[in-house]
Amino acid sequence: GDSVTQMEGPVTLSEEAFLTINCTYTATGYPSLFWYVQYPGEGLQLLLKATKADDKGSNKGFEATYRKETTSFHLEKGSVQVSDSAVYFCALSVASGSARQLTFGSGTQLTVLP
Amino acid sequence: DAGITQSPRYKITETGRQVTLMCHQTWSHSYMFWYRQDLGHGLRLIYYSAAADITDKGEVPDGYVVSRSKTENFPLTLESATRSQTSVYFCASSSRLAGVDSEQFFGPGTRLTVL
Repeated sequence: GDSVTQMEGPVTLSEEAFLTINCTYTATGYPSLFWYVQYPGEGLQLLLKATKADDKGSNKGFEATYRKETTSFHLEKGSVQVSDSAVYFCALSVASGSARQLTFGSGTQLTVLP
Repeated sequence: DAGITQSPRYKITETGRQVTLMCHQTWSHSYMFWYRQDLGHGLRLIYYSAAADITDKGEVPDGYVVSRSKTENFPLTLESATRSQTSVYFCASSSRLAGVDSEQFFGPGTRLTVL
């Protein structure tokens, strides 16, 4: 079945460091890909998305490129801030029944130290 | 309040009891979803609904019941709670009009503990 594999955390970085969180997927057909972020005590929020191969999603300094050849959607940010501390989830969207469903990775906890 | 809300935010119950978690959204979104979040598993879909009176099973539906008599509400019931259902539960909604890949908006979650 469809699945998402994320690099395991937790990840701890100093402020202004470069961030990469790896995400690879297995899916039938051509899924859409997403990164969601969960701040402490809150629900998930969409961070960025890409709907077809070679698309780049970007938001708040974060970027991810849909790589069909490597089935990957790695999240990157050039200079992290303390406020980026959160759990990041990679997800894919597939058609199933009457709705497209999200399949999530296990999440990566990021802590940014001042 | 505007948006998507869940109640209660925290719940402690005992094995065998029936528990209902509430979800309410004010956007008139067609689609609503229930997920559970467990360490090491990310979020897993329990049930979803495409419209009032239309529901379907997700990845982990056993032990749960849903209903959707009104577009804005999507309650999740644990008919006889078990310890394995201790988890954080998230409700989400998305708009049909925004397309098949429309963003899902998540509620703040309900932390359920089954003793």
